[in-house]
Amino acid sequence: SQQGEEDPQALSIQEGENATMNCSYKTSINNLQWYRQNSGRGLVHLILIRSNEREKHSGRLRVTLDTSKKSSSLLITASRAADTASYFCATRNSGNTPLVFGKGTRLSVIA
Amino acid sequence: GAGVSQSPSNKVTEKGKDVELRCDPISGHTALYWYRQSLGQGLEFLIYFQGNSAPDKSGLPSDRFSAERTGGSVSTLTIQRTQQEDSAVYLCASSLVGTGSYNSPLHFGNGTRLTVT
Repeated sequence: SQQGEEDPQALSIQEGENATMNCSYKTSINNLQWYRQNSGRGLVHLILIRSNEREKHSGRLRVTLDTSKKSSSLLITASRAADTASYFCATRNSGNTPLVFGKGTRLSVIA
Repeated sequence: GAGVSQSPSNKVTEKGKDVELRCDPISGHTALYWYRQSLGQGLEFLIYFQGNSAPDKSGLPSDRFSAERTGGSVSTLTIQRTQQEDSAVYLCASSLVGTGSYNSPLHFGNGTRLTVT
């Protein structure tokens, strides 16, 4: 089954720096979503980008999608210690198929 | 509450026992998912319910795993004859399904941490 693969697996940055996480997937998709997971909690939806979109913004988040390369990136600008979490990309290739998640990037923002 | 509720939050059981995990989705959400997350890993899809359609059971790892969704609301995931490799966090999520349903984000519960000793 298709699966997003995030890169890097772990990322450690200083507060105020930008964090970039990448996601690659294998088959054609309908949309790609990014989720965040704090330790011991469920996942929280951050942003969704459709297959016909190339870039989307939400607050300090910027997501890009390159369907020709089957890849997406999540940029968090001006990172804060509270951004420390795991970030997952998830893809869906049609309306009634389940959302498939990657293994995530563990982001640590050091104050 | 307004979110997805899972119970229990933690469950310790002996190998060979059966366990039941419960999920209360957000009211009005017709799609419900179960995922499994092992320590430090991504989410493994288990089963997906959508409205009155037959569930997608393609992710269930063995016939020891089963799930029901009664009345289109509450769901129970049952693991029979538990094994140590079943130890993981079991996450439930729901979403609103309608026109353009494939764009609906998932709302997750906080999971049930299952430990099989």
